[in-house]
Amino acid sequence: DQQVKQNSPSLSVQEGRISILNCDYTNSMFDYFLWYKKYPAEGPTFLISISSIKDKNEDGRFTVFLNKSAKHLSLHIVPSQPGDSAVYFCAAANTDKLIFGTGTRLQVFP
Amino acid sequence: DTGVSQNPRHKITKRGQNVTFRCDPISEHNRLYWYRQTLGQGPEFLTYFQNEAQLEKSRLLSDRFSAERPKGSFSTLEIQRTEQGDSAMYLCASSSQMVYEQYFGPGTRLTVT
Repeated sequence: DQQVKQNSPSLSVQEGRISILNCDYTNSMFDYFLWYKKYPAEGPTFLISISSIKDKNEDGRFTVFLNKSAKHLSLHIVPSQPGDSAVYFCAAANTDKLIFGTGTRLQVFP
Repeated sequence: DTGVSQNPRHKITKRGQNVTFRCDPISEHNRLYWYRQTLGQGPEFLTYFQNEAQLEKSRLLSDRFSAERPKGSFSTLEIQRTEQGDSAMYLCASSSQMVYEQYFGPGTRLTVT
């Protein structure tokens, strides 16, 4: 059973526009959510996180939104830059481990 | 200390051989995690340590897999009698207690021929 789902395997966005990456989860017991970015041949890099008691967290160009009733979170990147091109994973914290989605490959083109 | 380090970065081995990977966490982090990632998937949890104690193991961790963290510092992950299905990226992460954010190393890519 896949508890964390990223249904869009890829997303292509023009530089300067907004990138929106989506993630759905099934377990209402998750109490913390995280986004990671991964470049080829590197480990995932922590990007931003949100507690289940909040609905928004912002850090520079990155904002994460959480909709608990819909069991949905999204990552907004504004403005998108070519260096943002990478695979993005959402993860949910289940006790002491993270459960990851399958990732969305973001390509930002000039 | 700039981050989590893993060695080797790449390992090619023949089926049936044993392999061992090493992870050095961020020095002030007392929690250390092992994950496995295969193509097209996100990282999957294998096991984690708090200091030297191994607190949880995934059902993915068959009896051919063993992990240790002597003295609560670096950790090793050993795979005995490797199989082709063990081919994957093995990721190590560390964190401080009471925080959810985990910081990952670059991974060890294992290829079993």
